[in-house]
Amino acid sequence: SQQGEEDPQALSIQEGENATMNCSYKTSINNLQWYRQNSGRGLVHLILIRSNEREKHSGRLRVTLDTSKKSSSLLITASRAADTASYFCATDNYGQNFVFGPGTRLSVLP
Amino acid sequence: DTAVSQTPKYLVTQMGNDKSIKCEQNLGHDTMYWYKQDSKKFLKIMFSYNNKELIINETVPNRFSPKSPDKAHLNLHINSLELGDSAVYFCASSQDRGVEQYFGPGTRLTVT
Repeated sequence: SQQGEEDPQALSIQEGENATMNCSYKTSINNLQWYRQNSGRGLVHLILIRSNEREKHSGRLRVTLDTSKKSSSLLITASRAADTASYFCATDNYGQNFVFGPGTRLSVLP
Repeated sequence: DTAVSQTPKYLVTQMGNDKSIKCEQNLGHDTMYWYKQDSKKFLKIMFSYNNKELIINETVPNRFSPKSPDKAHLNLHINSLELGDSAVYFCASSQDRGVEQYFGPGTRLTVT
């Protein structure tokens, strides 16, 4: 069954604006990860947040995790055209089960 | 230097054929994976391989089989190809299970 589900499926914003993507999951997790995929390319790891962490930052990225609601959000601040890509969340169940969500397609318009 | 490489990048073949996709990682990682990404961009794990332990996604047909000649390689063999096998296949590796993964560039398989 599908574990992570991103919301929205697609998002269009202007350069300089912030982009927020959400991920929900169903079962208990060890960690949750966010990946980016540019068109025609492989996925690139962005950030990993453990189940005992609530917030993590990496450059212009901010990830939150709410295990009580089984949800996570990815915030990209001051977006750039180069941020245009698909973003996926993935949940790890202690190495036994690794599941990607369907992704959010982000378009940043110049 | 490419961390995770796959060959070929494109593969066009007919139904019923048998084909292989090769994957190599030079990161010294212990775990490797194969994923299938369908036309809607949904990414599904097919196999993970760690220290000779293979975990198979139960939904994967047994026409698909991973072969690992050594820790740096995990090849994917597909027998009796079907139209529904058309997709992009990604290889990935990680230090251990459950941590960040490094993906290859993908192999676009088209079955006609």
